[in-house]
Amino acid sequence: EVHLVQSGAVVKKPGESLTISCAVSGGGFTTFWHSWVRQVPGKGLEWVGRINPADSSVDYSPSFRGRVTMSADTSISTAFLHFNSLQSSDTAMYYCARLGRNWGQGTLVTVSS
Amino acid sequence: DIQMTQSPSSVSASVGDRVTISCQASQDVNTLVNWFQQKPGGVPRLLVFDASNLEQGAPPRFSGSGSGTEFTLTISGLQSEDFGTYYCHQYDRLDTFGPGTKVDLK
Repeated sequence: EVHLVQSGAVVKKPGESLTISCAVSGGGFTTFWHSWVRQVPGKGLEWVGRINPADSSVDYSPSFRGRVTMSADTSISTAFLHFNSLQSSDTAMYYCARLGRNWGQGTLVTVSS
Repeated sequence: DIQMTQSPSSVSASVGDRVTISCQASQDVNTLVNWFQQKPGGVPRLLVFDASNLEQGAPPRFSGSGSGTEFTLTISGLQSEDFGTYYCHQYDRLDTFGPGTKVDLK
């Protein structure tokens, strides 16, 4: 059975950097694309982008390109989402997902001074 | 990028009702559309993939149809556990989600 387990909730200040993670168990990490999805509290789902861990190829939503970086470490079957300089508007729940049918539990990122 | 619109934005319905949610893509996405259900505080759950295929474990009262730019999710006989928000999602080119349709109790 596939499980996606994400890193815990975090509180950061504006301008700080952050990397959140998504550890995948149950196989298939290098077979499938893995996506990141954002959900601002009380709002809808937004696709951030996806990564193919087999070759680290990535696709970003135009709304997020240049603001986040996705990476993956196949040795530990883990995907990462990195923020260079957080803004208050980055406050949201971030989910990792595979094929839409397997989701992580979400990582709540709060950016506040 | 491809935009997805949904209608209605919200619907009030009773247990047993038939509920239909529409989704329109700004470009032809073939049948590369998923439907998700999300309950408050919960993780999205895949109900229908490839526009009309019921995901394993999803109740058969859910059905999807459509191709190209017009898609529909139908709940035939709404149950109390079906209340929540429903999203369409295209994965033809650089995925996008619809804005969601909230289904609540009349």
